[in-house]
Amino acid sequence: DTAVSQTPKYLVTQMGNDKSIKCEQNLGHDTMYWYKQDSKKFLKIMFSYNNKELIINETVPNRFSPKSPDKAHLNLHINSLELGDSAVYFCASSFHHSNYEQYFGPGTRLTVT
Amino acid sequence: GENVEQHPSTLSVQEGDSAVIKCTYSDSASNYFPWYKQELGKGPQLIIDIRSNVGEKKDQRIAVTLNKTAKHFSLHITETQPEDSAVYFCAASPPFGNEKLTFGTGTRLTIIP
Repeated sequence: DTAVSQTPKYLVTQMGNDKSIKCEQNLGHDTMYWYKQDSKKFLKIMFSYNNKELIINETVPNRFSPKSPDKAHLNLHINSLELGDSAVYFCASSFHHSNYEQYFGPGTRLTVT
Repeated sequence: GENVEQHPSTLSVQEGDSAVIKCTYSDSASNYFPWYKQELGKGPQLIIDIRSNVGEKKDQRIAVTLNKTAKHFSLHITETQPEDSAVYFCAASPPFGNEKLTFGTGTRLTIIP
C-alpha cells in the first residue's frame, strides 16, 4: 500500500493558470509537509501542517496556498502560475513534527510553459 | 536560520570501494541529523539518522559520524554496490518547537561496476 501519494505525477500548464496538487498519507501521521525541489535538486520546505494547523510557512509567494481538510490530506493550490514555479513538488509526512522520520511521496513534476 | 553545506556535489566510486559524504551545519542548537537517499524519479527516503547524544551510528554498510564541536557529520558507505547510485542529502534540525529540516545541496553518487 502506498504510504504517501500525490496526484498528478506530471502537470504541464501555461503561465497564468491556476492548478492544484493533492497529497494523501495513510500512515496515521500528525504532520504533513510540502517541499519544492528545483532543477539543481535543492530541496526546500514550503509549508508544514500539524493536525490541520499550519506550523511552518516559509517565504513563499501568496500565490501558493496549502489546505488541509483533515490530517491525512494536504493539498497545494497555486494561482497565476509563473515560469519559475516549474519544479518537482514533494509532499511528506511524519509521526510528529519533532524530528521524526519524514516519508516522502513520489513527487509532482510541474512544468509551466 | 540553519545553513547546511554538503560536499562533494558529485562522487564516483569503484564498486566495492567506500564512499564518504560530508556536511557542516551552522546552528549549534541542531540536534537531529538525518540522511536521505533519492533514486531517479522518486522521493527522498531516510537511510540513517543520528541525534546529538551519540557520536556514531551504524546500519550494515552505512554509518554516520557526528562531531558536535566542529559542527560536522559524515555518511560512510562501505562495500559499495551499483544500487547505491543515487543522490544523497544530509539535513539538520534544531530541537525547538515547529522544527524544520534544512537540507544540504545533495551529492550525486555513481558506483562504477
